[in-house]
Amino acid sequence: DTEVTQTPKHLVMGMTNKKSLKCEQHMGHRAMYWYKQKAKKPPELMFVYSYEKLSINESVPSRFSPECPNSSLLNLHLHALQPEDSALYLCASSQVEGQNSPLHFGNGTRLTVT
Amino acid sequence: GENVEQHPSTLSVQEGDSAVIKCTYSDSASNYFPWYKQELGKGPQLIIDIRSNVGEKKDQRIAVTLNKTAKHFSLHITETQPEDSAVYFCAASGGNSGYALNFGKGTSLLVTP
Repeated sequence: DTEVTQTPKHLVMGMTNKKSLKCEQHMGHRAMYWYKQKAKKPPELMFVYSYEKLSINESVPSRFSPECPNSSLLNLHLHALQPEDSALYLCASSQVEGQNSPLHFGNGTRLTVT
Repeated sequence: GENVEQHPSTLSVQEGDSAVIKCTYSDSASNYFPWYKQELGKGPQLIIDIRSNVGEKKDQRIAVTLNKTAKHFSLHITETQPEDSAVYFCAASGGNSGYALNFGKGTSLLVTP
């Protein structure tokens, strides 16, 4: 089992709903990431947090709002999503940002927007 | 930015045979090359990585080789088993486009008994 835990595993939401994805790690890592993965494609970077501060936003639409309450937790708040936002959302962590620090991924949240 | 090409896109081998997946990268400054295995319904899991100061690295049945001059690196799996069936992604980072991982498009490996 992965050491990065994501909840829920599956989520179905309407375009007017507000929901949140959660991610937790207890490896003492200080960098946390959100990735989006469409079927049969590699993961695409969305956000990076380093020491609980947003470090990178890869021009993600504002309907995705990340939050890092503490060094172990990472949330992704969703609002007014579109059907094309349906994907697997992966959280990852690494010891630090950069320095080629290996990424550890969770098993993802499978999101379906109806 | 960095461009990582991965081949083949699908690979089918018989149990016990070897499997080789190849990747090329465009940024000669890239210096970190991880490989991830993604099983159905799971997230990618790091299986091996190599840094540019090393030419080869082994971990039991898995090995990675790096040719910096040619800008390519390969994953070798020996004595394949059905549980090796998965999608494998190579990646490169640390070059001029920064430390973010640039992934290849993936190889779907099927090991048949």
